[in-house]
Amino acid sequence: GNSVTQMEGPVTLSEEAFLTINCTYTATGYPSLFWYVQYPGEGLQLLLKATKADDKGSNKGFEATYRKETTSFHLEKGSVQVSDSAVYFCALTQGGSEKLVFGKGTKLTVNP
Amino acid sequence: DAGVIQSPRHEVTEMGQEVTLRCKPISGHNSLFWYRQTMMRGLELLIYFNNNVPIDDSGMPEDRFSAKMPNASFSTLKIQPSEPRDSAVYFCASILSGTGVTGELFFGEGSRLTVL
Repeated sequence: GNSVTQMEGPVTLSEEAFLTINCTYTATGYPSLFWYVQYPGEGLQLLLKATKADDKGSNKGFEATYRKETTSFHLEKGSVQVSDSAVYFCALTQGGSEKLVFGKGTKLTVNP
Repeated sequence: DAGVIQSPRHEVTEMGQEVTLRCKPISGHNSLFWYRQTMMRGLELLIYFNNNVPIDDSGMPEDRFSAKMPNASFSTLKIQPSEPRDSAVYFCASILSGTGVTGELFFGEGSRLTVL
C-alpha cells in the first residue's frame, strides 16, 4: 500500500541555519505530495504541495521538489526562524482520492 | 470565515465511560475526515464522509468506535466504552471535493482525549 517515510526527529537548529527534512514515499502510479505543518496546540495546515514529477512546491521560504526517480519530496529552507518551530508532516494522496497518508512527523525546534 | 470547529478541546474521562467528540466542518465543504494522532502511531485516518455518507471506515479501530454525519454541518465520533489506549488527539478535517484539487484538507484544532 501507499506509505510515507520521514526522517526521525527531533531536529534542533539555530536561527538562520539551513533546514532539510527528508521524505520518501511508496506508491503505485503518480501520487500528489504535500507538506503539512502543525504549530504547538494547533491543527495541521497545508504548507506546500506538488502534483507531478519535477514540480516544486514553495511557501513561506520553504521548498520541496517532487523527485520521481528517487521517490522523494524533501523539505528545505535556507534560513530558519524561531517561528518555524513546529512539527512537519509529509503526506500523499493518489488516484484522485482525498485520503491523505501521512508520515509520522518531524519535530523542528529553532533556537535564537 | 470560520474554520473547522471541534469540541471539546480537552476531555478527561474514566475507563468505561462514553465519549462524544464533535465537529463542524467549513461551510460548503462536502467531505469530512476524522484522524487520530498518537506518539506511537502518528496520524491515522479513522473514517471519512462524502456528502454525509461514510465512504471509508476501514481505519476505525473496533466496534467501540462509531461516527455519524447527520447533516452537512455536523459530525460526531463516539467511543463507547472508552479505554486508556484511546487516549490521543482526535482531529477533524474538511475539504470541498470534486474540484480536482485533492489533499488540501482544513484541520480543526483537535480534541485531546485522556482516558484514565
